[in-house]
Formats: sequence, C-alpha cells, structure tokens
Amino acid sequence: EAQVTQNPRYLITVTGKKLTVTCSQNMNHEYMSWYRQDPGLGLRQIYYSMNVEVTDKGDVPEGYKVSRKEKRNFPLILESPSPNQTSLYFCASSLGGGGNQPQHFGDGTRLSIL
Amino acid sequence: DAKTTQPPSMDCAEGRAANLPCNHSTISGNEYVYWYRQIHSQGPQYIIHGLKNNETNEMASLIITEDRKSSTLILPHATLRDTAVYYCIVRVQAGGTSYGKLTFGQGTILTVHP
Repeated sequence: EAQVTQNPRYLITVTGKKLTVTCSQNMNHEYMSWYRQDPGLGLRQIYYSMNVEVTDKGDVPEGYKVSRKEKRNFPLILESPSPNQTSLYFCASSLGGGGNQPQHFGDGTRLSIL
Repeated sequence: DAKTTQPPSMDCAEGRAANLPCNHSTISGNEYVYWYRQIHSQGPQYIIHGLKNNETNEMASLIITEDRKSSTLILPHATLRDTAVYYCIVRVQAGGTSYGKLTFGQGTILTVHP
C-alpha cells in the first residue's frame, strides 16, 4: 500500500533533549516536505526537499534541521526542542514539486515539549 | 499563490450531494485548484485537483468556472464519514519560493448529519 509513514505518532519530552521524527515513503517520490499545524495558524511548511541531498527552508524553519540521504526518508530533527515547538507535525511527499503533483500526507506526529 | 475564500461551515444531509464553494478571483493561468480534507487531526487527505477543465474521480467532482475565479467541490452522496474540514488551495505550477508548498487556509467545516 502506498503510504507516508511517520514515527513516533506521539511524543512527550523535555526542553533541550534532541529528538528526531522519521518520515518514510514507499512511492519513489522525489519531493518531500514537513509541515506543522497549530490552532488558528493552519499548516505551515518547515522544510522541503526536491530530491536526495537537496533541501530548502520553508516558512518556519527556525529550530529545525532536515536531511535527505535517501530518496525514501526525510527525518525532521529538533536539536534543542523548546516549548514553542509543541505542535502537530505532518510529513508529505509527491512525485515532484510541480503544481500537477498531488502531495500525500502521513498520519501526523503530536509533539509535546515540556 | 492566489488566495482562496471559503465559507467557514456548511451542513449536509446524509445521502445528499455536498457542494462546497471556493472563490479564487486572483488565480493565475498557471495555478491549479486543489482540494484536501482533514478529519479530526489526521493527515490532510488529497481529494482532487484541476487546472481548467472539470474533473471527476472516485471521491468527488471538481467544477471550475470558465473564468477560473471560482470552483465547487461536489461530494455526490455524502456520508457521516465525510464530516471534515475541507481546504481549497491554489497552487502554482512550478518554480520560485513557493515550489511545492501547499498553503492551507481555514477551510470549510462540513458536517454531514443523519
């Protein structure tokens, strides 16, 4: 089954403790992206990747890192998490980044930073 | 990307067609109209997209006006499971700082009742 898989689905952690949220897709998609969703602010793009070793900032990249060493994986790294990064995170992928390529989303990761 | 305007909420009886409108009066010729929905806090689900012509798939139909300034998503036989927030998104074909990004607004809360 074609899917985007995120792990963990839920995480409660403390300020400053490095964490990684993994994202994997099995559709051989070139384009991958991370969004965060906060009440009243909608979904905002954090980082995106057009292909292996090609990443770029989205609208809210501060405090996050990403890497794209393999086509299928696009982990989101919080080096020193802070409470303002408490949010619902979604990974998405598409065949390409062009307007005619639908993005497919994972089920989300709910992070709570205490 | 062009902005979209949607009603904040709509109701629909189960088994009837749900017609969700969207205005995008500043849409450019190379921008696609996309529809996604989000059930509770699950990942946004792709429904349908189009450029100029009307489109239909197994989930829904998309009707785009001839001047492309508005569109309607039609769920032909709404069920209780279609209760969700529906997002209309205008997305540029390619290139620039918006590459691949989906800009989610507030959407329309569709409630399907028995």
